[in-house]
Amino acid sequence: DAEITQSPRHKITETGRQVTLACHQTWNHNNMFWYRQDLGHGLRLIHYSYGVQDTNKGEVSDGYSVSRSNTEDLPLTLESAASSQTSVYFCASSIQPGGYNTGELFFGEGSRLTVL
Amino acid sequence: GIQVEQSPPDLILQEGANSTLRCNFSDSVNNLQWFHQNPWGQLINLFYIPSGTKQNGRLSATTVATERYSLLYISSSQTTDSGVYFCAVEDADSWGKLQFGAGTQVVVTP
Repeated sequence: DAEITQSPRHKITETGRQVTLACHQTWNHNNMFWYRQDLGHGLRLIHYSYGVQDTNKGEVSDGYSVSRSNTEDLPLTLESAASSQTSVYFCASSIQPGGYNTGELFFGEGSRLTVL
Repeated sequence: GIQVEQSPPDLILQEGANSTLRCNFSDSVNNLQWFHQNPWGQLINLFYIPSGTKQNGRLSATTVATERYSLLYISSSQTTDSGVYFCAVEDADSWGKLQFGAGTQVVVTP
């Protein structure tokens, strides 16, 4: 079955280290997204991509980067992890129905990151 | 940006009861979705419903785009319906940026 998978599911790291969270989808969706979820802030968009070589900043992009070298993968990198980046991270994908519409989103299972 | 308000923030139901969750939004939308986050944290897409009515088993949703609200109905609730229900919207000016509401926390007791 087609799916979207994230790894690692749990990660503990230290302040200042580089961390990469992987996201892989087998639906052949053109759109991919990264969100973070924190108590009191709900789900907030970090970065998104509409296709290969396309990346865009969301509302909380500082300290994060993404790259899209193929359709299936959108890795999220924290260049120098900070305690404020302790969160649960969700990857999502969608197929664009056309027009100004992101389409129907499907989420991965999430990656819980703790920065000490 | 577009504002999304969900009500009620919390809901406690006895198994078998019916309930209605509401999502109000501040501008015209071309994308509205309902999600369920279960107690294990998994986010499941329930409905993609920028307008009209859809049904899926015991769940149904209605969006009245002209009046800027959407309703999610849960009938004959079960304990597996517990979790947080999120509404998310996107307008033409915010293409690619689904704005999520704060959610409604639902607890279904046996």
